[in-house]
Amino acid sequence: GQNIDQPTEMTATEGAIVQINCTYQTSGFNGLFWYQQHAGEAPTFLSYNVLDGLEEKGRFSSFLSRSKGYSYLLLKELQMKDSASYLCAVLDSNYQLIWGAGTKLIIKP
Amino acid sequence: DVKVTQSSRYLVKRTGEKVFLECVQDMDHENMFWYRQDPGLGLRLIYFSYDVKMKEKGDIPEGYSVSREKKERFSLILESASTNQTSMYLCASSLTGELVQPQHFGDGTRLSIL
Repeated sequence: GQNIDQPTEMTATEGAIVQINCTYQTSGFNGLFWYQQHAGEAPTFLSYNVLDGLEEKGRFSSFLSRSKGYSYLLLKELQMKDSASYLCAVLDSNYQLIWGAGTKLIIKP
Repeated sequence: DVKVTQSSRYLVKRTGEKVFLECVQDMDHENMFWYRQDPGLGLRLIYFSYDVKMKEKGDIPEGYSVSREKKERFSLILESASTNQTSMYLCASSLTGELVQPQHFGDGTRLSIL
């Protein structure tokens, strides 16, 4: 079967750095997405990785290792507004998105 | 910016009712999707559409149907609502292109079936 694993919940301190991991086992691979979802709101697109390596976008970076079936989202200089759920999703061989259950990130002052 | 609008944020219906959830996008996207989101689970695809009048079953189509009469509108229909269809429903749209395009989501409809 297809499976996406990410931690259920993480806690971090304002101003710090946090890494949210995602491991996957899917039928084929055509890229990995990260989305942010604030409580009661729409998921919003953060990043897309299809090649190995690190992609940086401001305070957020996303890393992919296809050989390990592994990705992480790195958030730097955490702000209170970063409190949200972070969803990992893989595009499989049929170009269908397989979603993880999401990681709820709690930021403490 | 892409705008995906779902007709209701909250909806309460009774068992056995026929329920319509509406979704409209304003960016001329070809692809539209309906998901449900439940605690502890990833988004699960109900139905999707790649073009007007086209529909494809997702992973959990049972008990649902869809309609896409116009490019901008994708409707989800619960033929006879049941309590296990209480959930958050998310609509999304995306562009078709040579490169993979992200899906853009509406704010969701929280549906309760009593």
